[in-house]
Amino acid sequence: SSELTQDPAVSVALGQTVRIKCQGDSLRSHYATWYQQKPGQAPLLVIYGENSRPSGIPDRFSGSSSGDTASLTITGAQAEDEADYFCSSRGNSGNYYVFGTGTQVTVL
Amino acid sequence: EVRLVESGGGLVQPGGSLRLSCAASGFSFSSFEMNWVRQAPGKGLEWVSYISGGGKTKYYADSVRGRFTISRDNAKKSLYLQMNSLRDEDTALYFCARDLRGVEYDYWGQGTLVTVSS
Repeated sequence: SSELTQDPAVSVALGQTVRIKCQGDSLRSHYATWYQQKPGQAPLLVIYGENSRPSGIPDRFSGSSSGDTASLTITGAQAEDEADYFCSSRGNSGNYYVFGTGTQVTVL
Repeated sequence: EVRLVESGGGLVQPGGSLRLSCAASGFSFSSFEMNWVRQAPGKGLEWVSYISGGGKTKYYADSVRGRFTISRDNAKKSLYLQMNSLRDEDTALYFCARDLRGVEYDYWGQGTLVTVSS
Protein backbone atom coordinates (compact mmCIF):
# COMPACT_ATOMS: atom_id res chain seq x y z
CA SER A 1 0.00 0.00 0.00
CA SER A 2 1.13 3.54 -0.77
CA GLU A 3 2.54 5.73 2.00
CA LEU A 4 1.33 8.82 0.15
CA THR A 5 -2.39 9.46 -0.12
CA GLN A 6 -4.12 11.59 -2.75
CA ASP A 7 -7.76 12.33 -3.54
CA PRO A 8 -8.82 10.03 -6.40
CA ALA A 9 -10.31 12.74 -8.60
CA VAL A 10 -10.88 16.49 -8.81
CA SER A 11 -12.43 18.72 -11.42
CA VAL A 12 -11.79 22.33 -12.33
CA ALA A 13 -13.44 24.79 -14.67
CA LEU A 14 -11.35 26.01 -17.56
CA GLY A 15 -9.19 28.93 -16.43
CA GLN A 16 -9.80 28.36 -12.74
CA THR A 17 -7.42 27.15 -10.03
CA VAL A 18 -7.15 23.63 -8.66
CA ARG A 19 -5.07 22.32 -5.78
CA ILE A 20 -4.08 18.66 -5.63
CA LYS A 21 -3.04 17.36 -2.22
CA CYS A 22 -0.67 14.60 -1.17
CA GLN A 23 -0.43 13.42 2.43
CA GLY A 24 2.11 11.21 4.15
CA ASP A 25 4.57 11.10 7.02
CA SER A 26 7.59 11.08 4.70
CA LEU A 27 6.64 14.59 3.55
CA ARG A 28 7.62 15.94 6.97
CA SER A 29 11.26 15.33 6.00
CA HIS A 30 11.30 15.09 2.20
CA TYR A 31 10.03 17.35 -0.55
CA ALA A 32 7.32 15.99 -2.80
CA THR A 33 7.94 15.54 -6.49
CA TRP A 34 5.00 15.78 -8.90
CA TYR A 35 4.41 13.96 -12.19
CA GLN A 36 1.74 14.42 -14.83
CA GLN A 37 0.63 11.41 -16.84
CA LYS A 38 -1.69 11.48 -19.82
CA PRO A 39 -3.29 8.31 -21.24
CA GLY A 40 -0.82 6.13 -23.10
CA GLN A 41 2.14 8.28 -22.16
CA ALA A 42 5.01 8.05 -19.72
CA PRO A 43 4.92 10.28 -16.64
CA LEU A 44 6.27 13.80 -17.02
CA LEU A 45 8.11 15.61 -14.23
CA VAL A 46 6.33 18.89 -13.45
CA ILE A 47 7.49 20.00 -9.98
CA TYR A 48 10.52 19.05 -7.88
CA GLY A 49 12.31 20.35 -4.81
CA GLU A 50 10.80 23.20 -2.85
CA ASN A 51 8.97 24.54 -5.92
CA SER A 52 11.02 24.08 -9.09
CA ARG A 53 9.82 23.41 -12.61
CA PRO A 54 11.81 21.66 -15.32
CA SER A 55 12.36 23.54 -18.54
CA GLY A 56 9.20 23.60 -20.62
CA ILE A 57 6.72 23.27 -17.76
CA PRO A 58 4.35 26.27 -17.68
CA ASP A 59 4.52 28.58 -14.68
CA ARG A 60 0.86 27.91 -13.92
CA PHE A 61 2.15 24.80 -12.12
CA SER A 62 3.46 25.38 -8.60
CA GLY A 63 4.21 23.33 -5.51
CA SER A 64 4.00 23.93 -1.79
CA SER A 65 4.24 21.99 1.42
CA SER A 66 3.14 22.18 5.05
CA GLY A 67 3.73 19.49 7.64
CA ASP A 68 2.76 16.11 6.23
CA THR A 69 0.93 17.54 3.22
CA ALA A 70 2.25 18.69 -0.14
CA SER A 71 0.19 20.42 -2.79
CA LEU A 72 0.36 20.93 -6.51
CA THR A 73 -1.54 24.01 -7.71
CA ILE A 74 -2.57 24.68 -11.27
CA THR A 75 -3.46 28.36 -11.60
CA GLY A 76 -5.58 28.98 -14.68
CA ALA A 77 -6.09 25.36 -15.70
CA GLN A 78 -6.04 24.60 -19.41
CA ALA A 79 -7.66 21.77 -21.34
CA GLU A 80 -4.26 20.17 -21.86
CA ASP A 81 -3.78 19.90 -18.10
CA GLU A 82 -6.39 17.14 -17.93
CA ALA A 83 -4.37 14.15 -16.76
CA ASP A 84 -3.45 11.98 -13.80
CA TYR A 85 -1.09 13.55 -11.29
CA PHE A 86 1.14 11.58 -8.96
CA CYS A 87 3.15 12.84 -6.03
CA SER A 88 6.26 11.02 -4.82
CA SER A 89 9.03 11.21 -2.26
CA ARG A 90 11.60 9.14 -0.46
CA GLY A 91 9.94 6.49 1.65
CA ASN A 92 10.05 6.31 5.44
CA SER A 93 9.80 2.56 5.86
CA GLY A 94 11.46 -0.20 3.86
CA ASN A 95 10.79 1.31 0.47
CA TYR A 96 13.41 3.74 -0.83
CA TYR A 97 10.92 5.67 -2.94
CA VAL A 98 7.15 5.87 -3.02
CA PHE A 99 4.46 7.26 -5.29
CA GLY A 100 1.14 8.65 -4.23
CA THR A 101 -2.13 7.00 -5.14
CA GLY A 102 -2.75 9.49 -7.94
CA THR A 103 -5.36 12.16 -8.70
CA GLN A 104 -7.32 12.33 -11.92
CA VAL A 105 -7.84 15.97 -12.92
CA THR A 106 -10.75 16.82 -15.21
CA VAL A 107 -10.94 20.25 -16.81
CA LEU A 108 -14.55 21.22 -17.42
CA GLU B 1 18.52 14.23 -26.99
CA VAL B 2 18.01 11.98 -23.99
CA ARG B 3 16.35 8.69 -24.92
CA LEU B 4 15.42 5.64 -22.87
CA VAL B 5 14.07 2.60 -24.70
CA GLU B 6 12.83 -0.44 -22.80
CA SER B 7 12.56 -3.94 -24.23
CA GLY B 8 12.17 -7.54 -23.12
CA GLY B 9 8.58 -7.58 -21.98
CA GLY B 10 6.12 -10.28 -22.97
CA LEU B 11 3.79 -13.02 -21.80
CA VAL B 12 5.17 -15.37 -19.17
CA GLN B 13 3.61 -18.03 -16.95
CA PRO B 14 3.49 -17.65 -13.17
CA GLY B 15 6.79 -18.75 -11.70
CA GLY B 16 8.66 -17.85 -14.86
CA SER B 17 11.42 -15.35 -15.55
CA LEU B 18 12.04 -12.37 -17.80
CA ARG B 19 14.91 -9.94 -18.27
CA LEU B 20 14.05 -6.36 -19.13
CA SER B 21 16.52 -3.99 -20.76
CA CYS B 22 16.65 -0.22 -21.04
CA ALA B 23 18.93 1.31 -23.66
CA ALA B 24 20.05 4.83 -22.87
CA SER B 25 21.39 7.49 -25.22
CA GLY B 26 22.02 11.21 -25.30
CA PHE B 27 23.63 11.58 -21.88
CA SER B 28 26.51 10.35 -19.75
CA PHE B 29 24.82 7.16 -18.55
CA SER B 30 27.33 6.26 -15.84
CA SER B 31 26.83 9.64 -14.16
CA PHE B 32 23.18 9.01 -13.37
CA GLU B 33 21.32 6.82 -10.96
CA MET B 34 18.53 4.83 -12.60
CA ASN B 35 15.25 3.29 -11.55
CA TRP B 36 12.55 0.89 -12.65
CA VAL B 37 8.94 1.92 -12.07
CA ARG B 38 5.89 -0.13 -13.00
CA GLN B 39 2.22 0.53 -13.58
CA ALA B 40 -0.40 -2.21 -13.50
CA PRO B 41 -3.22 -1.80 -16.04
CA GLY B 42 -5.48 1.05 -14.97
CA LYS B 43 -3.54 1.56 -11.74
CA GLY B 44 -1.02 3.99 -10.29
CA LEU B 45 2.75 4.11 -10.37
CA GLU B 46 4.84 1.78 -8.21
CA TRP B 47 8.56 2.25 -7.69
CA VAL B 48 10.36 -1.07 -8.19
CA SER B 49 14.12 -0.66 -7.92
CA TYR B 50 17.05 1.78 -7.84
CA ILE B 51 20.70 1.49 -8.82
CA SER B 52 23.53 3.96 -8.31
CA GLY B 53 25.66 5.24 -11.17
CA GLY B 54 28.48 2.81 -10.50
CA GLY B 55 26.10 -0.06 -9.83
CA LYS B 56 27.17 -0.82 -6.27
CA THR B 57 24.13 0.49 -4.41
CA LYS B 58 20.77 -1.10 -5.10
CA TYR B 59 17.36 -0.82 -3.49
CA TYR B 60 14.18 -2.79 -4.04
CA ALA B 61 10.51 -2.41 -3.22
CA ASP B 62 9.26 -4.84 -0.60
CA SER B 63 6.99 -6.41 -3.23
CA VAL B 64 9.90 -7.57 -5.41
CA ARG B 65 12.83 -7.94 -3.02
CA GLY B 66 14.40 -11.38 -3.35
CA ARG B 67 12.81 -12.01 -6.75
CA PHE B 68 14.04 -9.12 -8.93
CA THR B 69 17.62 -8.00 -9.54
CA ILE B 70 18.62 -4.66 -11.00
CA SER B 71 21.93 -4.22 -12.81
CA ARG B 72 23.61 -1.98 -15.35
CA ASP B 73 26.36 -2.09 -17.94
CA ASN B 74 27.78 1.41 -18.27
CA ALA B 75 29.94 0.47 -21.23
CA LYS B 76 26.79 -0.55 -23.10
CA LYS B 77 24.71 2.31 -21.64
CA SER B 78 22.13 -0.22 -20.56
CA LEU B 79 19.99 -0.90 -17.50
CA TYR B 80 18.52 -4.31 -16.72
CA LEU B 81 15.88 -5.90 -14.51
CA GLN B 82 16.04 -9.65 -14.02
CA MET B 83 12.63 -10.82 -12.84
CA ASN B 84 12.28 -14.32 -11.37
CA SER B 85 9.41 -16.18 -9.69
CA LEU B 86 6.93 -13.93 -11.47
CA ARG B 87 3.43 -13.61 -10.08
CA ASP B 88 0.13 -12.48 -11.54
CA GLU B 89 0.47 -9.21 -9.63
CA ASP B 90 3.71 -8.41 -11.45
CA THR B 91 1.68 -7.78 -14.61
CA ALA B 92 2.40 -4.16 -15.52
CA LEU B 93 4.01 -1.70 -17.88
CA TYR B 94 7.63 -1.36 -16.74
CA PHE B 95 9.35 1.99 -17.19
CA CYS B 96 12.99 2.87 -16.75
CA ALA B 97 13.60 6.37 -15.45
CA ARG B 98 16.66 8.58 -15.08
CA ASP B 99 17.18 9.79 -11.54
CA LEU B 100 18.11 13.42 -10.97
CA ARG B 101 19.45 14.14 -7.50
CA GLY B 102 17.92 10.99 -6.09
CA VAL B 103 14.36 12.18 -5.84
CA GLU B 104 13.28 13.34 -9.28
CA TYR B 105 12.89 11.24 -12.39
CA ASP B 106 13.45 13.65 -15.24
CA TYR B 107 13.40 11.27 -18.22
CA TRP B 108 11.29 8.14 -18.71
CA GLY B 109 11.10 5.51 -21.40
CA GLN B 110 7.79 4.52 -22.98
CA GLY B 111 7.69 1.24 -21.08
CA THR B 112 7.63 -2.46 -21.87
CA LEU B 113 4.61 -4.59 -20.99
CA VAL B 114 4.98 -7.68 -18.84
CA THR B 115 2.00 -10.01 -18.62
CA VAL B 116 2.09 -12.88 -16.14
CA SER B 117 -0.66 -15.36 -16.89
CA SER B 118 -1.24 -19.06 -17.35
